[in-house]
Amino acid sequence: SQKIEQNSEALNIQEGKTATLTCNYTNYSPAYLQWYRQDPGRGPVFLLLIRENEKEKRKERLKVTFDTTLKQSLFHITASQPADSATYLCALDRTNTGNQFYFGTGTSLTVIP
Amino acid sequence: EAQVTQNPRYLITVTGKKLTVTCSQNMNHEYMSWYRQDPGLGLRQIYYSMNVEVTDKGDVPEGYKVSRKEKRNFPLILESPSPNQTSLYFCASWTSYEQYFGPGTRLTVT
Repeated sequence: SQKIEQNSEALNIQEGKTATLTCNYTNYSPAYLQWYRQDPGRGPVFLLLIRENEKEKRKERLKVTFDTTLKQSLFHITASQPADSATYLCALDRTNTGNQFYFGTGTSLTVIP
Repeated sequence: EAQVTQNPRYLITVTGKKLTVTCSQNMNHEYMSWYRQDPGLGLRQIYYSMNVEVTDKGDVPEGYKVSRKEKRNFPLILESPSPNQTSLYFCASWTSYEQYFGPGTRLTVT
């Protein structure tokens, strides 16, 4: 069955640097991948979606790439700020029907001032 | 304001005592879903609904029931809760790809 793996360890970076988070999947390429942000004790918040025919997507300081050959999506936060500290989740539609989702376990990011 | 609400936010109960967690959305979304989140396991889908009276199992449906009698509401029912259902539960709704999550319900079953 499809599996998603994210950076298993927490990521600590210095303020102003670029954070790069990884999401790998194991089997078929999904039609799209989603990225969410989750703060402690709160529900995930949608950030970006990238489709399989898109190599890259940007939104303000966020950039997502999708490499179907490597079965990988990278999530970048440029000019990181302490307020970016959170857990970031990737998700894919496991049946490509828009209603069944696998989520990764998330990567905890801490931006150090 | 577009939102998904859940109640209660916190619940401590005992094994076997039936409970219902309510979920409501005000965005007229067709799709709704319940997830549970456990350390090291991430978010796992319990049930989802494509519209009124249309529901289907997700990855971990055992021990749960759902119903969708109105478009805005999607309650999660635990008929006989057990300690392994202690978890953080999230309801979500969406119409096209972007899921909106509720604030979560932390359930403890003793």
